[in-house]
Amino acid sequence: QSVLTQPPSASGTPGQRVTISCSGSSSNIGSNSVNWYQQVPGTAPKLLIDSNNQRPSGVPDRFSGSKSGTSASLAISGLQSEDEADYYCAAWDASLNGLWVFGGGTKLTVL
Amino acid sequence: QVQLVESGGGLVQPGGSLRLSCAASGFTFSGYYFSWIRQAPGKGLEWVSYISSSGDYTNYADSVKGRFTISRDNARSSLYLQMNSLRAEDTAVYYCARESGGFDSWGQGTLVIVSS
Repeated sequence: QSVLTQPPSASGTPGQRVTISCSGSSSNIGSNSVNWYQQVPGTAPKLLIDSNNQRPSGVPDRFSGSKSGTSASLAISGLQSEDEADYYCAAWDASLNGLWVFGGGTKLTVL
Repeated sequence: QVQLVESGGGLVQPGGSLRLSCAASGFTFSGYYFSWIRQAPGKGLEWVSYISSSGDYTNYADSVKGRFTISRDNARSSLYLQMNSLRAEDTAVYYCARESGGFDSWGQGTLVIVSS
């Protein structure tokens, strides 16, 4: 059972906007930044959103992140077939001398 | 360009040991924290351990504490994970990842299978 809670699946049609939620607690999301990762099956994860809402170089602006309290969201607008992947949220957790915690992942299907 | 290459994975019997390595290139290795992150077959990502840039600070997930040891050699630009008393539930692809805010660079992963 993951510390951060994500829906196991999400779906949308090409061109649609999809959001993926991530819920945590005061010791992780409530007091630290959230990062989002995209993982195409069979490949290593890729940093998609840094520090709640910052896109690393090369990440399309169709991807955006937000955070409020102990929850965060990833939004994908103008959905494309290549967006079909697993998405994970992560945050630093200040408990137990500090550790990283991940969400269980959300499998995004482009219908 | 930034490159992380893991090695050392393989098949090991329960109770056995394995040492993973991660060779870094394309950046100043000594300036970054690193983590090992694993992914069991068909499962999500699980953070395993981190080490500070100097190696002075480390921490571990409860699931591996007391069995795994993370270390680094800044002169060799290399990260290591010594895994002892391995269990079936340690079977996973192990990734090394550079920390810069988030984990901004990942290796390709090395597969560890614990089975008799």
